[in-house]
Amino acid sequence: AQTVTQSQPEMSVQEAETVTLSCTYDTSESDYYLFWYKQPPSRQMILVIRQEAYKQQNATENRFSVNFQKAAKSFSLKISDSQLGDAAMYFCAYRSKAGNQFYFGTGTSLTVIP
Amino acid sequence: DSGVTQTPKHLITATGQRVTLRCSPRSGDLSVYWYQQSLDQGLQFLIQYYNGEERAKGNILERFSAQQFPDLHSELNLSSLELGDSALYFCASSGGQYQETQYFGPGTRLLVL
Repeated sequence: AQTVTQSQPEMSVQEAETVTLSCTYDTSESDYYLFWYKQPPSRQMILVIRQEAYKQQNATENRFSVNFQKAAKSFSLKISDSQLGDAAMYFCAYRSKAGNQFYFGTGTSLTVIP
Repeated sequence: DSGVTQTPKHLITATGQRVTLRCSPRSGDLSVYWYQQSLDQGLQFLIQYYNGEERAKGNILERFSAQQFPDLHSELNLSSLELGDSALYFCASSGGQYQETQYFGPGTRLLVL
């Protein structure tokens, strides 16, 4: 089975600064999807950004961007100009193109310091 | 608002009891996924349905079962409840069997006393 690893249980960032959350995954597949989900204190799971493995260009959504390194099986999330509302648990997730199951990492808790 | 609805929002029950959690997917979505998230834990995939049929099974206990109805809503049944079943249960939906993006409901918080 595929595994997703988030090696940073906790991170903190000063408001308006930039922070990068790490995610690595293990797969033998060549085509798949990667996601970052945000879970604020309300515990609602919110899609932040997604990346298709066959696309070399890194996905970007406003202040959120990814650094996708396919050969290294790395998928980090960069949050620019951090805001207080970015404080949340962030989960990295993997889904193969052919399969039905999503695999989630254990999450990184992000604190934003005013 | 993701468009996925779950009821009830909160549920308190006793050990040994049985409960049913309900999920309505986004309009047009055919796939429904169920997840369990215990306190300070990650997401554990339980089961997926696509257009009424079971498609994938994860770490779902035998005491738990699910189904998806013709109108595409889904129910997760939890029986012989134990204290350790206390968790947040999420439902997520996606558009097709291999649609890549899941959208999550707000979750049902289950407390077993």
